[in-house]
Amino acid sequence: DSGVTQTPKHLITATGQRVTLRCSPRSGDLSVYWYQQSLDQGLQFLIQYYNGEERAKGNILERFSAQQFPDLHSELNLSSLELGDSALYFCASSVGDRLGNTIYFGEGSWLTVV
Amino acid sequence: AQSVSQHNHHVILSEAASLELGCNYSYGGTVNLFWYVQYPGQHLQLLLKYFSGDPLVKGIKGFEAEFIKSKFSFNLRKPSVQWSDTAEYFCAGRNNAGNMLTFGGGTRLMVKP
Repeated sequence: DSGVTQTPKHLITATGQRVTLRCSPRSGDLSVYWYQQSLDQGLQFLIQYYNGEERAKGNILERFSAQQFPDLHSELNLSSLELGDSALYFCASSVGDRLGNTIYFGEGSWLTVV
Repeated sequence: AQSVSQHNHHVILSEAASLELGCNYSYGGTVNLFWYVQYPGQHLQLLLKYFSGDPLVKGIKGFEAEFIKSKFSFNLRKPSVQWSDTAEYFCAGRNNAGNMLTFGGGTRLMVKP
């Protein structure tokens, strides 16, 4: 158990819908990362927050957004869902956002868009 | 662009065989390098990490990796694999020019009993 908690574990939804994935980082970790894992794209970095502020952005679609709340939990919002958005979405956390910080991953949220 | 590459996409070994999975990175400067393992249907677990110091890093489950700066490599090794090592292995890296981890494409390892 990495200490990073993600909900829901599995989600099935229809195209065009919107979902919210939630992540609670490890106790004491200020930095949260979101990754998407799909068969064709591999593990892709989406976005990072540090202590409530967006710190880095990767290959995140405009239909996707995220935020980190004052209690440090984070949510990833996926809207206007398409079949190709079906993937495993990982949240990860680390103490800080600098070199020398280990990044720990949660168990992921399986999203299936039908 | 910063990248991490894994050359072996699929590896099949028999139990007790030795394992070496290749990983190369393209970062300059100071780097952090990681190996993660993903068992079927599970999340990413950290096997080992290199931040600085001794280039030979020992991790969990008998795995080790060697950081060779001149070759931009961080290969994962295990002297004798077990059936339970069947999983996908990911090399990842980051440097001080970017906050996020960049992952290689992964290597699927199958160990035959």
